[in-house]
Amino acid sequence: EPEVTQTPSHQVTQMGQEVILRCVPISNHLYFYWYRQILGQKVEFLVSFYNNEISEKSEIFDDQFSVERPDGSNFTLKIRSTKLEDSAMYFCASSSLTNNEKLFFGSGTQLSVL
Amino acid sequence: AQSVTQPDIHITVSEGASLELRCNYSYGATPYLFWYVQSPGQGLQLLLKYFSGDTLVQGIKGFEAEFKRSQSSFNLRKPSVHWSDAAEYFCAVVNTGKLIFGQGTTLQVKP
Repeated sequence: EPEVTQTPSHQVTQMGQEVILRCVPISNHLYFYWYRQILGQKVEFLVSFYNNEISEKSEIFDDQFSVERPDGSNFTLKIRSTKLEDSAMYFCASSSLTNNEKLFFGSGTQLSVL
Repeated sequence: AQSVTQPDIHITVSEGASLELRCNYSYGATPYLFWYVQSPGQGLQLLLKYFSGDTLVQGIKGFEAEFKRSQSSFNLRKPSVHWSDAAEYFCAVVNTGKLIFGQGTTLQVKP
């Protein structure tokens, strides 16, 4: 089965630093998402992306966050100035145009902000 | 607002025993419902989904779930649990393409 790939699997950073989390969605998918899961809490929607623009974002996704599809294969999440509370598992997901209700998730990037 | 509740945070069952994980949703229209499983170090894997039609849906790994509109529930079941089923299970409802997840239920399997 095709996979969504996320790198790195673990990222440790200092508070205030910028981080970029990388995702390679499934090649023929057109909808892209970021979710996050703070330890012990629910998986939460951050942002959806389609046709090179954000289609929806949650209140969590403030000005410190941005997403980009810099080329035909990567989808990135940037956090400009990390805070302690940004520590979480970040999941990338993608879906196809014809079945955007089925999301394929990556295995996640565990971000630790010290 | 749409929401999903999984009342059980942890469940322990013996290998070979039956399993039922509870999920209740709050959604105005006909919901699209999902169950995902997350094994340690792995991403979220879709077990099954309900969009419409037959209220009993079959999924992968021998799981099934039943949609009950009158009870606003979508409980996940498996007749005989295997040790490899130990994982965290998430119920979710979709709203305009984004998933709203429940808190998750951690399943432990005793030998």
